[in-house]
Amino acid sequence: GEDVEQSLFLSVREGDSSVINCTYTDSSSTYLYWYKQEPGAGLQLLTYIFSNMDMKQDQRLTVLLNKKDKHLSLRIADTQTGDSAIYFCAETGGSGTYKYIFGTGTRLKVLA
Amino acid sequence: DTGVSQDPRHKITKRGQNVTFRCDPISEHNRLYWYRQTLGQGPEFLTYFQNEAQLEKSRLLSDRFSAERPKGSFSTLEIQRTEQGDSAMYLCASSSLQGNTEAFFGQGTRLTVV
Repeated sequence: GEDVEQSLFLSVREGDSSVINCTYTDSSSTYLYWYKQEPGAGLQLLTYIFSNMDMKQDQRLTVLLNKKDKHLSLRIADTQTGDSAIYFCAETGGSGTYKYIFGTGTRLKVLA
Repeated sequence: DTGVSQDPRHKITKRGQNVTFRCDPISEHNRLYWYRQTLGQGPEFLTYFQNEAQLEKSRLLSDRFSAERPKGSFSTLEIQRTEQGDSAMYLCASSSLQGNTEAFFGQGTRLTVV
């Protein structure tokens, strides 16, 4: 089956690192993504990782993929107040389809 | 390129009326997706096209919903006989067949059924 789960809330202090976690069920997923959504806005693609990789770094963002455990995480270094938003993980390519399956989102609150 | 464009941004309609939304994808993108998002939830898949062919449609999608992409460019999503439960943000996204197929989203159309 297709399911993507995330914890609902995360609160961190400005300057600390944030780690947002995601688990998925479709082991045949080929790409996994992180999107950011600010209030009233559409989804902004942050980064992605191909399923044959276990890590990807992009400036302040680090994505870790544990394919065995079907676990994906997004680490944001030096978190800023502008990082406050909802973060969605998504997977695609599983079972021969190109639709994206999204998690319920993690609301990140950055405290000044 | 201005990205994925959706029109209108907001729509208020009375229950029972039909509504139609339009999505213009990024010009070279072959795949086009429709999603629905309600408050506190992640985007829920509705349907997607590859060029003009509708390749997949959610089993949860009522037959009051229909989508078209007649020339493989823009797409329309029509909801017939709207119900209050149809109130949501309708998101469109597009992606290329090449590379890692990341999807880029429009700003969405917010539908309110009163």
